[in-house]
Amino acid sequence: LAKTTQPISMDSYEGQEVNITCSHNNIATNDYITWYQQFPSQGPRFIIQGYKTKVTNEVASLFIPADRKSSTLSLPRVSLSDTAVYYCLVTGANNLFFGTGTRLTVIP
Amino acid sequence: GAVVSQHPSRVICKSGTSVKIECRSLDFQATTMFWYRQFPKQSLMLMATSNEGSKATYEQGVEKDKFLINHASLTLSTLTVTSAHPEDSSFYICSAPLGGNTEAFFGQGTRLTVV
Repeated sequence: LAKTTQPISMDSYEGQEVNITCSHNNIATNDYITWYQQFPSQGPRFIIQGYKTKVTNEVASLFIPADRKSSTLSLPRVSLSDTAVYYCLVTGANNLFFGTGTRLTVIP
Repeated sequence: GAVVSQHPSRVICKSGTSVKIECRSLDFQATTMFWYRQFPKQSLMLMATSNEGSKATYEQGVEKDKFLINHASLTLSTLTVTSAHPEDSSFYICSAPLGGNTEAFFGQGTRLTVV
């Protein structure tokens, strides 16, 4: 199983762009990279998923280099409500193991 | 969109009693569901993988006789914490993937407090 490594915590001011990088050196050919957001006492919520290059949706962008050994979640212009824990997962068929996650704190 | 409903959201029980937590996929069929436990300020720890029509697969260190999992239909999995003790107090979360490498949907979580 591909293990993920990401920073434990990050702080950012409101309105700034936040980039959270995740390392997954042992990612397999069939694995995808998926990011989730979790607020206290709630289940994780899907943010974005990608296989390679760049994926963008209405809330975030995901950048994946050619070797796929890392990925970067980009949150444009964060607000206070983006304060949460962000998890990077390498998802193959039927495995969903969570790493430590990154606790993002947005400061006014 | 696809939704996973988990019930109850909060439960307080006496030590020694059993508690059942339900996880339902509302508009899709889930042959597999995952059960997690999360302690304060920690990540989600996978407890077991629930498989419809067959036995659950438990992660190392998780007692299968204490955490009974039943996946009797394609839309319902249950986790029963038997003979609960205060150390079982935690946040329990279920998840159901749509399949393959698609996103997984998570329940709202159940806050279990054993007194």
